Amino acid sequence: AQSVTQPDIHITVSEGASLELRCNYSYGATPYLFWYVQSPGQGLQLLLKYFSGDTLVQGIKGFEAEFKRSQSSFNLRKPSVHWSDAAEYFCAVGAGNNFNKFYFGSGTKLNVKP
Amino acid sequence: NAGVTQTPKFRVLKTGQSMTLLCAQDMNHEYMYWYRQDPGMGLRLIHYSVGEGTTAKGEVPDGYNVSRLKKQNFLLGLESAAPSQTSVYFCASSYAVNTEAFFGQGTRLTVV
Repeated sequence: AQSVTQPDIHITVSEGASLELRCNYSYGATPYLFWYVQSPGQGLQLLLKYFSGDTLVQGIKGFEAEFKRSQSSFNLRKPSVHWSDAAEYFCAVGAGNNFNKFYFGSGTKLNVKP
Repeated sequence: NAGVTQTPKFRVLKTGQSMTLLCAQDMNHEYMYWYRQDPGMGLRLIHYSVGEGTTAKGEVPDGYNVSRLKKQNFLLGLESAAPSQTSVYFCASSYAVNTEAFFGQGTRLTVV
């Protein structure tokens, strides 16, 4: 069965510091991977996605993620965090025979210290 | 740019009452989804649809029904609400396979 694990429930970083959010997936075939961000009281917004090709993908708001097949990981990174990045982040994997389902991790809540 | 619109945004129900949540998308997407979001559990798929007139069960379908009579609308029904259905419900849509999902703003439902 497909699953997505985000081992960190809460992370606090100082503004200007670097950030890495972890995501591990379990899926038999090549996965389609996504990172979404959710600000309080809002829906989910796509940050970036990986389908194939270059394993380092760039997204919006200065985020990037690297797909590592050997580690079944798709970690999200940002070199310098801004206070506006405080939100909850969700990793997701596209699965199903026709890729018509998304499975989400439980989320990582990011706090940013001034 | 309406995207995905959910109504209502908030609702309080008594146990045993019924209600319907409406999701409308104006992007001509084939695929539509209903998720529920609970603290510490991420988003769990309730039901989904791969096209007009089709529906399928997701991870947590019990207690919910759906209908997709028109391509742009996906309705989620609760026939007899239970406190365990207190949650935030998100609708999403996607154009096809291999594309990302677009989400509505959510419906916060409380069952007392």
